[in-house]
Amino acid sequence: AQSVTQLDSQVPVFEEAPVELRCNYSSSVSVYLFWYVQYPNQGLQLLLKYLSGSTLVESINGFEAEFNKSQTSFHLRKPSVHISDTAEYFCAVVDNAGNMLTFGGGTRLMVKP
Amino acid sequence: DVKVTQSSRYLVKRTGEKVFLECVQDMDHENMFWYRQDPGLGLRLIYFSYDVKMKEKGDIPEGYSVSREKKERFSLILESASTNQTSMYLCASRERVSYGYTFGSGTRLTVV
Repeated sequence: AQSVTQLDSQVPVFEEAPVELRCNYSSSVSVYLFWYVQYPNQGLQLLLKYLSGSTLVESINGFEAEFNKSQTSFHLRKPSVHISDTAEYFCAVVDNAGNMLTFGGGTRLMVKP
Repeated sequence: DVKVTQSSRYLVKRTGEKVFLECVQDMDHENMFWYRQDPGLGLRLIYFSYDVKMKEKGDIPEGYSVSREKKERFSLILESASTNQTSMYLCASRERVSYGYTFGSGTRLTVV
């Protein structure tokens, strides 16, 4: 079984500031890692994923995340946030059998002008 | 564009009612999932199905059942709704040999 911990339930930040949303996981087997974003009153959308290869993955809207196996982390970062990034962000893992996606508790990113 | 459609965006039901939440996907995916989303708890898996008429319990199946009579449709059933089932319910689907999940927009259920 695996579990995911998102240490911060809310992260307030000013527009154009950098941000890091933290995610740690535990698992006895190899996992694949995901970040999903949920804008207000919408479903979840995939932001980025790590399956294999380069440990640094990027999204089309400027977010990036780095898989750190030794620290069992997959933190999400953006060097300069916009108001439109205000949303809830979920870190998730799936075991290498791909059966079930396990989510963290979510981090609400609040970008202020 | 691939789609997972949940029939209701908002529902209000009374305690003790039988409630059906419907989910339809148009991607011919084998796997379908039902999650509930609660503040601070993230998404928790209720049930999933890896084929027609097949179902498996997730982490929190108590008080719920599911039905999958056709590949494209996966229904979540609350046999006797209770106030602690007030939540956002999200349906998702996935190809068998893929890790890409597609989510519906969710159904916000209030049980009064």
